[in-house]
Amino acid sequence: AQSVAQPEDQVNVAEGNPLTVKCTYSVSGNPYLFWYVQYPNRGLQFLLKYITGDNLVKGSYGFEAEFNKSQTSFHLKKPSALVSDSALYFCAVRDVIGGNMLTFGGGTRLMVKP
Amino acid sequence: EAGVAQSPRYKIIEKRQSVAFWCNPISGHATLYWYQQILGQGPKLLIQFQNNGVVDDSQLPKDRFSAERLKGVDSTLKIQPAKLEDSAVYLCASKALLDMNTEAFFGQGTRLTVV
Repeated sequence: AQSVAQPEDQVNVAEGNPLTVKCTYSVSGNPYLFWYVQYPNRGLQFLLKYITGDNLVKGSYGFEAEFNKSQTSFHLKKPSALVSDSALYFCAVRDVIGGNMLTFGGGTRLMVKP
Repeated sequence: EAGVAQSPRYKIIEKRQSVAFWCNPISGHATLYWYQQILGQGPKLLIQFQNNGVVDDSQLPKDRFSAERLKGVDSTLKIQPAKLEDSAVYLCASKALLDMNTEAFFGQGTRLTVV
């Protein structure tokens, strides 16, 4: 069965500093990995995805994520955090064995302080 | 392009009552999902439709939950009777293609409170 772990419930970072939100996954086949962001009282918004190819994926709002197959990780990164980046971030995985089901991690709350 | 529409946004009911949620996916999207998101947790898939057929409902509590997508467009999710532990946000999402690459787009959700 496929699964996703986000080991940090909350990440605190100062505005202007780089941020990393961690994600590790477990799948039987090749992973298809996604990051979503959720603002208060809003649905999930797609940020970026890794399907194949370059291990560094660039997405919306200046975010990027690095796929590391040996460490089964897909950490979300941004070089310079903004206060407006404060939100709930979810990592998700889909694999061929698991069908089209998208499995989410528990979420990480990012707090960016001025 | 209009997004995924869900209604109502909020619903408060007493336990043992019934409730229904409605979802209208993005036009042309064949795949539709219902997720349950309990406070402090990630979304959990309840059911997946491809057009008007069920692809995966293995995590749907079928003794109380039901869902349909009769014409392959909009969908309803029903809970009857509701329990306190059903309090959650119910998210609908749609996807254009059945392939593995395409991302899903989510609605704003319906926040259900069972008292």
